[in-house]
Amino acid sequence: EVQLVESGGGLVKPGGSLRLSCAASGFTFSSFGMNWVRQAPGKGLEWVSSITSGSSYIYYADSVRGRFTISRDDAKNSLSLQMNSLRVEDTAVYYCARVVVVAGQTYWFFDLWGRGTLVTVSS
Amino acid sequence: DIQMTQSPSSVSASVGDRVTITCRASQGISSWLAWYQQKPGKAPKLLIYAASSLQSGVPSRFSGSTSGTDFTLTISSLQPEDFATYYCQQANSFPLTFGGGTKVEIE
Repeated sequence: EVQLVESGGGLVKPGGSLRLSCAASGFTFSSFGMNWVRQAPGKGLEWVSSITSGSSYIYYADSVRGRFTISRDDAKNSLSLQMNSLRVEDTAVYYCARVVVVAGQTYWFFDLWGRGTLVTVSS
Repeated sequence: DIQMTQSPSSVSASVGDRVTITCRASQGISSWLAWYQQKPGKAPKLLIYAASSLQSGVPSRFSGSTSGTDFTLTISSLQPEDFATYYCQQANSFPLTFGGGTKVEIE
């Protein structure tokens, strides 16, 4: 089955760290760019970070640059997000999402999403 | 950064109605726009990409169009399962950005 499964969310104090993981299955993970998108409670979607296939290029939202690090392990079909110096405003459901690839061309739209993992930053 | 302004923020409609949602980009994004549907407690679902390409498995009552920097999602005949929140997203350049969402509610 083609799927993405996130893990690693939880409750953390402001200033703390957390590492999210996303396990991919059912497709050739190494061929796809991958992303993290978050959604604060009752709010809209916010793009967080993207990594191309082969990890050639990495992009971050200004709100997380310098605090979050995206990485991938193609041998383990896994995507990660290391989150440091967490703030209350980082509280959200974090989704792992795959890019659209058509005829070998990558489009930075998201056609496969995980169910999300909740990160709560609170004292 | 490219701002995506979605309107309306909510719409009340009945089954069978035609519903139109608009997204305006703050600058030109060619056809680099997608539409997603999200139901409460669920992950978003891709409906339309590249402004007008229907994602596999999505019913044909969903369609997308563009006019300059204005993009439209149309649901030709609203079905009970279509009551949800819809988001647009631009993929022209990083940072990738989403519209604020449109909640389609039962009238």
